[in-house]
Amino acid sequence: AQSVTQLDSQVPVFEEAPVELRCNYSSSVSVYLFWYVQYPNQGLQLLLKYLSGSTLVKGINGFEAEFNKSQTSFHLRKPSVHISDTAEYFCAVSERGGSYIPTFGRGTSLIVHP
Amino acid sequence: DTAVSQTPKYLVTQMGNDKSIKCEQNLGHDTMYWYKQDSKKFLKIMFSYNNKELIINETVPNRFSPKSPDKAHLNLHINSLELGDSAVYFCASSHPRGGGGADTQYFGPGTRLTVL
Repeated sequence: AQSVTQLDSQVPVFEEAPVELRCNYSSSVSVYLFWYVQYPNQGLQLLLKYLSGSTLVKGINGFEAEFNKSQTSFHLRKPSVHISDTAEYFCAVSERGGSYIPTFGRGTSLIVHP
Repeated sequence: DTAVSQTPKYLVTQMGNDKSIKCEQNLGHDTMYWYKQDSKKFLKIMFSYNNKELIINETVPNRFSPKSPDKAHLNLHINSLELGDSAVYFCASSHPRGGGGADTQYFGPGTRLTVL
């Protein structure tokens, strides 16, 4: 069975600063990896996902993530954040050839200050 | 057009009551889900359902039951509501192809349930 760890429950940052949200996973097989974003009082929506191929994945709103198999990580980055990026970010993993139901991390709250 | 919709958006009720939350998706997906998000934002899968199988998270009390009148709808019925059921409930859908969970989940806006 797979598991996901989001190391930071909360990340405060100033507007226009870079940010990295960390995600590590555990699985005995190959995986698919996802980042979802939840804006206040809304449902989750997909930011980006890694299925195969290039380990650097670009998503919406200027976010990108890099899959690192040796470190079992899939950290999310943005070079310059905006106030509107304030939201909850969830990393998720599902196993290739296994259950199609993903396992979600506990979320990281990104708080962007002016 | 709303892809995944839920009603109601807010639900306030007394302990012991029975309530339902409705979910509809217009994406043509064949698999739907219910998630529970607690006050700490932790997201827990409750059910996954398609026309072939229902997968139940074994930790979900049997007071909770999904009902699917057709492929586009998956409603959540809750009997004998308890204080601990207060949470935000999300419906989602996806279209798993070939197994293994590569497909994106599309979430509804959530239903905030408050049990008094």
